[in-house]
Amino acid sequence: GDSVTQMEGPVTLSEEAFLTINCTYTATGYPSLFWYVQYPGEGLQLLLKATKADDKGSNKGFEATYRKETTSFHLEKGSVQVSDSAVYFCALTQYGNNRLAFGKGNQVVVIP
Amino acid sequence: DAGVIQSPRHEVTEMGQEVTLRCKPISGHDYLFWYRQTMMRGLELLIYFNNNVPIDDSGMPEDRFSAKMPNASFSTLKIQPSEPRDSAVYFCASSSGEKLFFGSGTQLSVL
Repeated sequence: GDSVTQMEGPVTLSEEAFLTINCTYTATGYPSLFWYVQYPGEGLQLLLKATKADDKGSNKGFEATYRKETTSFHLEKGSVQVSDSAVYFCALTQYGNNRLAFGKGNQVVVIP
Repeated sequence: DAGVIQSPRHEVTEMGQEVTLRCKPISGHDYLFWYRQTMMRGLELLIYFNNNVPIDDSGMPEDRFSAKMPNASFSTLKIQPSEPRDSAVYFCASSSGEKLFFGSGTQLSVL
């Protein structure tokens, strides 16, 4: 079935460093792709999305480009802040229904 | 809008007890989802409803779990009897399109 795969393990980096979180997908058809963020003690919230190939989603300094040729949707931010510490989930809409398939998430810790 | 409202925020119970988790979706949303989050398994979809009708409950782990949506503004997830391995954060989410809106979750601890 349709699924997303995120890189293993937490990510720890210093403030103002460059952040990349990898996400690849397997899908039937042409899914929409999403990044959700979960801050401590809260539910997930949509960070950005892209609905077709070569679209770039962006929000709060984060960006991700829908790459059909590499089936990827990597999340990037040029200069992270301590407030970006959270868990980041990649997701896609599954073919034929309204469900989202989520990756396992990546814990990001930004240290001052 | 107040967003998706879940109650209680925290629940501590003893093994064998019945647990009921509650969710009020955003008004006008026609889809409602129940998820479970654990360190080991990540985020799992348990069941989802469309227009109050259960569409897919294949993620419900066992018959001990049941979910209802008696009307468009209320849903419950019940565990009876509860077991320690049910300890997790349970999220409710609603949508009217592709974007999901999540509640703050219920942290369940079964002792």
